[in-house]
Amino acid sequence: EIVLTQSPGTLSLSPGERATLSCRASQSVGRNYLAWYQQKPGQAPRLLIYGASSTATGIPERFSGSGSGTDFTLTISRLEPEDSAVYYCQQYDLSPRTFGQGTKVEIK
Amino acid sequence: DVQLVESGGGLAQPGGSLTLYCAASEFSFKNYWMHWVRQVPGKGLVWVSRINSDGSSTTYADSVKGRFTISRDNAQNTLYLRMNTLRVEDTAVYYCVREAWGNHMDVWGKGTTVTVSS
Repeated sequence: EIVLTQSPGTLSLSPGERATLSCRASQSVGRNYLAWYQQKPGQAPRLLIYGASSTATGIPERFSGSGSGTDFTLTISRLEPEDSAVYYCQQYDLSPRTFGQGTKVEIK
Repeated sequence: DVQLVESGGGLAQPGGSLTLYCAASEFSFKNYWMHWVRQVPGKGLVWVSRINSDGSSTTYADSVKGRFTISRDNAQNTLYLRMNTLRVEDTAVYYCVREAWGNHMDVWGKGTTVTVSS
């Protein structure tokens, strides 16, 4: 199975700063079938990015995704207080679908 | 709004059984593949199972294969997860998730909590 490793484990930044989250795959993710989800405490995950770089409906423009092959990035251009959450990457190219372990973003 | 509502969670004993339900609304349920994903509180997300749109094809994570059964009733817009021979490590929040046309998971329910304990 494809193992996804996210870094850093925790990111602590101030409002207005740029956040860069990394997701590295143990083998190439075909068709760029890589998604990013945001999960706040007590809530279900919310789709942010699919196809590595396509933004889901209703997601603010400050969220963007990039990458291909084994290296993917989620960027939050200007952090807002409500962006405090855990962010997960997921590959849906091969079964079983696997998730990264998550990156926690804290807003100072 | 498109909605998925899970139910059926609760307390079960090790070796016991439980059936989870997911009621879908405001979209054409019969046209979509569906998944179950679980999450131990405080831990990460783990994919559990997937079923195609007409129910003829299913896949499972190795950890639940042979114990869990995913199924659906398109007439009732309902997804099921029958869980047998439950283990303590099956304790988690279980999410019902829709697969979009692009194969990614786009809509999640709020989840239902399963606790396996004696």
